[in-house]
Amino acid sequence: SQQGEEDPQALSIQEGENATMNCSYKTSINNLQWYRQNSGRGLVHLILIRSNEREKHSGRLRVTLDTSKKSSSLLITASRAADTASYFCATDTGRRALTFGSGTRLQVQP
Amino acid sequence: ETGVTQTPRHLVMGMTNKKSLKCEQHLGHNAMYWYKQSAKKPLELMFVYSLEERVENNSVPSRFSPECPNSSHLFLHLHTLQPEDSALYLCASSRMGAGPVGELFFGEGSRLTVL
Repeated sequence: SQQGEEDPQALSIQEGENATMNCSYKTSINNLQWYRQNSGRGLVHLILIRSNEREKHSGRLRVTLDTSKKSSSLLITASRAADTASYFCATDTGRRALTFGSGTRLQVQP
Repeated sequence: ETGVTQTPRHLVMGMTNKKSLKCEQHLGHNAMYWYKQSAKKPLELMFVYSLEERVENNSVPSRFSPECPNSSHLFLHLHTLQPEDSALYLCASSRMGAGPVGELFFGEGSRLTVL
């Protein structure tokens, strides 16, 4: 079974709308991170939230973490066509590496 | 440019070939990772080298052999691969201490096709 699972698997919105992606995980974590991947490229780190934090902001990104529900959400406000990519959550469970979910494919229509 | 360079970017090999993937980081990090990304599957951790220790995913077949000669270079040696090994192989690096895992910096990946 997967440590991190994103929901939805795919999301299509219009430019200017907000995009919300969710991540659920199974075991306790030190931190949770979100990454972005353009098609066929490497992953780029977006934001890290520690287990004792509930919310974090970075530009148009807002991340929440609910450790009681073992879930996190990534909100991208005022989306742009350039936000089209796959988004992954990753958890640090103390194994000296991150465990990634399957990702959400976001399509922003211009 | 993330500071992590992978070569080659694309590789096609037969099942009897031996090839190697190379990764180099210029960030002064002390941990390096190999991840495998197959279509419609989560990224799969293959190997970690950190603090002079190697951690591996026990499900990785022995036809994949990592080598980390120093903190800046990481190789993945490939031999007698199978078609199902075709995937995007991603290298990453990070600054590792005694605490939690921080931000990973990824290379652009090596797209491997096994015929």
